[in-house]
Amino acid sequence: EDQVTQSPEALRLQEGESSSLNCSYTVSGLRGLFWYRQDPGKGPEFLFTLYSAGEEKEKERLKATLTKKESFLHITAPKPEDSATYLCAVQPPWGGSEKLVFGKGTKLTVNP
Amino acid sequence: GAVVSQHPSRVICKSGTSVKIECRSLDFQATTMFWYRQFPKQSLMLMATSNEGSKATYEQGVEKDKFLINHASLTLSTLTVTSAHPEDSSFYICSARDFGTGTDTQYFGPGTRLTVL
Repeated sequence: EDQVTQSPEALRLQEGESSSLNCSYTVSGLRGLFWYRQDPGKGPEFLFTLYSAGEEKEKERLKATLTKKESFLHITAPKPEDSATYLCAVQPPWGGSEKLVFGKGTKLTVNP
Repeated sequence: GAVVSQHPSRVICKSGTSVKIECRSLDFQATTMFWYRQFPKQSLMLMATSNEGSKATYEQGVEKDKFLINHASLTLSTLTVTSAHPEDSSFYICSARDFGTGTDTQYFGPGTRLTVL
């Protein structure tokens, strides 16, 4: 069964303190890996799609990377407004399900 | 980026009534939309996959007659919670699959908070 595991479950940082969130997966033949940000009481906001090992994408203070077994979301010099739950999801290979397999998320809190 | 809207954002209803939630893709066509449910402090739980012009595919344990899904056009899917009861109170989120120009990404709506009294 395809699985996605995110760690840590929760992370507290001081403003400016860089760190990384991890997403490990067991899907073979991954078609795509997605990162979303979710604020309380809102739907997930799309951040990145990664398709192949070695790929990297950046947006402001966020950088996502992908290996064959995991993805990292690096947060550089975070600000309080980066506080949210970050969700990782994988897309099974072509010919399989259209459904995304989600991890349980990492709740990030950035203190001023 | 692609935008998905949901209406209403909040709804409060009495037990036994039905509630309809709309999900629209505003700037792209979506042959596939998904409906999720989210409980407090938990991740998304997929309820059903909605394909334009065909019957929805429900996940195991989700009652088809309870949660009616209609995907009548390439930009609109609706979820109707029939004969709602307090245990149906939850946060419902839809997503629309943007499958074009080399991309295959699900974009989510802002969610609908349903409270059944």
